[in-house]
Amino acid sequence: NAGVTQTPKFQVLKTGQSMTLQCAQDMNHEYMSWYRQDPGMGLRLIHYSVGAGITDQGEVPNGYNVSRSTTEDFPLRLLSAAPSQTSVYFCASSYRAGGSSYEQYFGPGTRLTVT
Amino acid sequence: DQQVKQNSPSLSVQEGRISILNCDYTNSMFDYFLWYKKYPAEGPTFLISISSIKDKNEDGRFTVFLNKSAKHLSLHIVPSQPGDSAVYFCAASVLRYGNKLVFGAGTILRVKS
Repeated sequence: NAGVTQTPKFQVLKTGQSMTLQCAQDMNHEYMSWYRQDPGMGLRLIHYSVGAGITDQGEVPNGYNVSRSTTEDFPLRLLSAAPSQTSVYFCASSYRAGGSSYEQYFGPGTRLTVT
Repeated sequence: DQQVKQNSPSLSVQEGRISILNCDYTNSMFDYFLWYKKYPAEGPTFLISISSIKDKNEDGRFTVFLNKSAKHLSLHIVPSQPGDSAVYFCAASVLRYGNKLVFGAGTILRVKS
């Protein structure tokens, strides 16, 4: 099992550019989510999905889009990058709440810098 | 408005002694709590969790205590080892709303040998 994988590891964008952060998991988890981590702050939820075809907003969704066409993949799209989106992005997956295990498994992160 | 607070940005402990990391929360609807450990340039890894129906959960050297009336939880690491040096995040969720986690800002633990 590779667990949760994220690509790329590092990315530099200019303001206004768009890009997609990739996330995949091979644990057949229903639930997937994206968080961002900024200095001095905990991780904050951007978007999440409870299964293929179902997504919803988290705490800080503005400027980001997601889709979930398969159980395995959950890409995060930045439509028009802004310096405020400079952060480290983590993808996570878990069994859906109500099962036997609620802990989320995190990927290694993508460090994004927007200039 | 921070719903989960870790008021100590850092903690330094001697190897072999107990490390106690604290976490406070304001949302009384939280019913599931977790601790994650994070090394630099890696994603957080799950350590231990506790449901609001319990007040203690143990796993090896790690014990989490929950005081619902005080809206406080703590993580005890005994004995502390140099490999425990990392950032520790407390997180909370309301399970019937799904697996959405609310994180504290983290505490940097340094275990000195």
